[in-house]
Amino acid sequence: DIQMTQSPSTLSASVGDTITITCRASQSIRTWLAWYQQKPGKAPKLLIYDASRLESGVPSRFGGSGSETEFTLTISSLQPEDFATYYCQHYNSYSFMHTFGQGTKLQIK
Amino acid sequence: QVRLVQSGAEVKKPGSSVKVSCKASGGTFTSHAFSWVRQAPGQGLEWMGVVIPMFGSVKYAQQFLGRLTITADESTSATYMELSRLTYEDTAVYYCARELTGTSAFDIWGQGTMVPVSS
Repeated sequence: DIQMTQSPSTLSASVGDTITITCRASQSIRTWLAWYQQKPGKAPKLLIYDASRLESGVPSRFGGSGSETEFTLTISSLQPEDFATYYCQHYNSYSFMHTFGQGTKLQIK
Repeated sequence: QVRLVQSGAEVKKPGSSVKVSCKASGGTFTSHAFSWVRQAPGQGLEWMGVVIPMFGSVKYAQQFLGRLTITADESTSATYMELSRLTYEDTAVYYCARELTGTSAFDIWGQGTMVPVSS
């Protein structure tokens, strides 16, 4: 099975900062990767899919990059509403299987 | 606007089963696959399985084989998740989620259903 490892587990930053979260796959997953934002008590929200495609309605300060085994989520000019937990997800459109990373909590410094 | 509306919270006893529903409104039900994801208190997201109504097929994560059943009813645009032989470790919020056409990322999520397992 493919394992997804996110780092860091926790990240402290200030409003206006630019941050990067990394997600590594245990083997090549091409660009079959999504990023989600989750706030307490709420369902996750899709931000990025296919590693770098911005979901409709998501602000352009969110960006995704990477392929094969290493991926990054970058948030530029952090806004107060961006402090949340972020998850990466590998999906396989042929096997219909999914795997989530363990999450990164972005908190205010 | 497409929405997924889930059934309400249920308290369950160890050893029992739970069945959660997820009804889709808007969109074309059979054009999408629907997954179930759970989240234990304070923990991350765990994918459980998927139903693909167009093909009438299902896939389950290994750790749930034998006690998870996911079904879909095209006539009501609903999907169901039934988990049996519940233990305290099954206490979680259970979400349904729709796969985005052309990819398999989850673009629409239900509001979540809390299932506490308690004696």
